[in-house]
Amino acid sequence: GQQLNQSPQSMFIQEGEDVSMNCTSSSIFNTWLWYKQDPGEGPVLLIALYKAGELTSNGRLTAQFGITRKDSFLNISASIPSDVGIYFCAGPDGGSQGNLIFGKGTKLSVKP
Amino acid sequence: DTAVSQTPKYLVTQMGNDKSIKCEQNLGHDTMYWYKQDSKKFLKIMFSYNNKELIINETVPNRFSPKSPDKAHLNLHINSLELGDSAVYFCASSQVTSGRYNEQFFGPGTRLTVL
Repeated sequence: GQQLNQSPQSMFIQEGEDVSMNCTSSSIFNTWLWYKQDPGEGPVLLIALYKAGELTSNGRLTAQFGITRKDSFLNISASIPSDVGIYFCAGPDGGSQGNLIFGKGTKLSVKP
Repeated sequence: DTAVSQTPKYLVTQMGNDKSIKCEQNLGHDTMYWYKQDSKKFLKIMFSYNNKELIINETVPNRFSPKSPDKAHLNLHINSLELGDSAVYFCASSQVTSGRYNEQFFGPGTRLTVL
């Protein structure tokens, strides 16, 4: 079945540093999504990408939909303590109800 | 106002018991989902449901069953609980439009611990 490989698994950074994480797939996705999960909460959508090559920003976050449709990356600039959490890439499974396949997540820790 | 709510937030129970987790969404969405997040934080779809169709992930044991009394609710029933059922369960909802992904809104999760 479809799988999303997300890296790195975890990151420990200093406040103010930039962060980059990526997601790859063995099959093509027509939509790439990036979610963030705060501790004790459910995932929240950060950025949705619908077109190959698309580069989309949301504040300090920037995500790109890879040209091959098999990868995506998320950058966070000038990290702050509230960026702490788990970041997931996800993509629809192509079925009729929009079920999502999630990557295994990148756990981000930010040291003040 | 909470968009997707779940109760209870925490559920601790003995092996072999039957339990339910409730989910409600006030977004007017037509599709609801249940996900399981294991101890390694891996999120996996269990069920998706709209008023026409229930889609079940083939890996989900038949001890798990979703029940939808109406469009705004999708409850999760679990029979004969096992230790391996311990996890965080998330409900989500979205308005599914053919040909385009629409955002799924997640509830806060229910942490189930089976002793």
